[in-house]
Amino acid sequence: KAGVTQTPRYLIKTRGQQVTLSCSPISGHRSVSWYQQTPGQGLQFLFEYFSETQRNKGNFPGRFSGRQFSNSRSEMNVSTLELGDSALYLCASSPTLSETQYFGPGTRLLVL
Amino acid sequence: AQSVAQPEDQVNVAEGNPLTVKCTYSVSGNPYLFWYVQYPNRGLQFLLKYITGDNLVKGSYGFEAEFNKSQTSFHLKKPSALVSDSALYFCAVRDDWEGKSTFGDGTTLTVKP
Repeated sequence: KAGVTQTPRYLIKTRGQQVTLSCSPISGHRSVSWYQQTPGQGLQFLFEYFSETQRNKGNFPGRFSGRQFSNSRSEMNVSTLELGDSALYLCASSPTLSETQYFGPGTRLLVL
Repeated sequence: AQSVAQPEDQVNVAEGNPLTVKCTYSVSGNPYLFWYVQYPNRGLQFLLKYITGDNLVKGSYGFEAEFNKSQTSFHLKKPSALVSDSALYFCAVRDDWEGKSTFGDGTTLTVKP
């Protein structure tokens, strides 16, 4: 099976812009989670979707949003970008909410 | 609320020596515990998991982990370290019903020749 894919892999934006990141899960996986990874804050949970419904949400401002489509693909959107949003954004998929998560390679976002 | 602690930011071992990366957890229900490894500029790779059963779990690349319920620990071990094991290691706990994984802050393992 193909692994989790994330697009784009690298992105440069300026403050105030918005960005949309995409994640395609492993075939058959219905749960998709998003994480932000920064050197100072480690791996921070953003949100998790299962069958197009948001099941869990981390402690991030409303500028961070996401959605999941009927084919389980997921997108996350960050509006009004800030310098502190520069990070590696990781997507992970799993068959159900409690099973092993498999991670994609990440999207590295740089906000200037 | 669930939590994970990795008390060591850095672990240094010599090649060929045994290694241990420590993890303790707190969860209200049954713990689903995981170890992941991350190499530079890569996503996290799954190493092993504990759901139920034997307290000693074997995983990829010769790694194993010991679940200790009384000490709420899930330490990662390997009998003989390789230089190629040098990477960032994350312990995670996952709720057995609602999902939502919580990750530790990570431990950087350096294996010196």
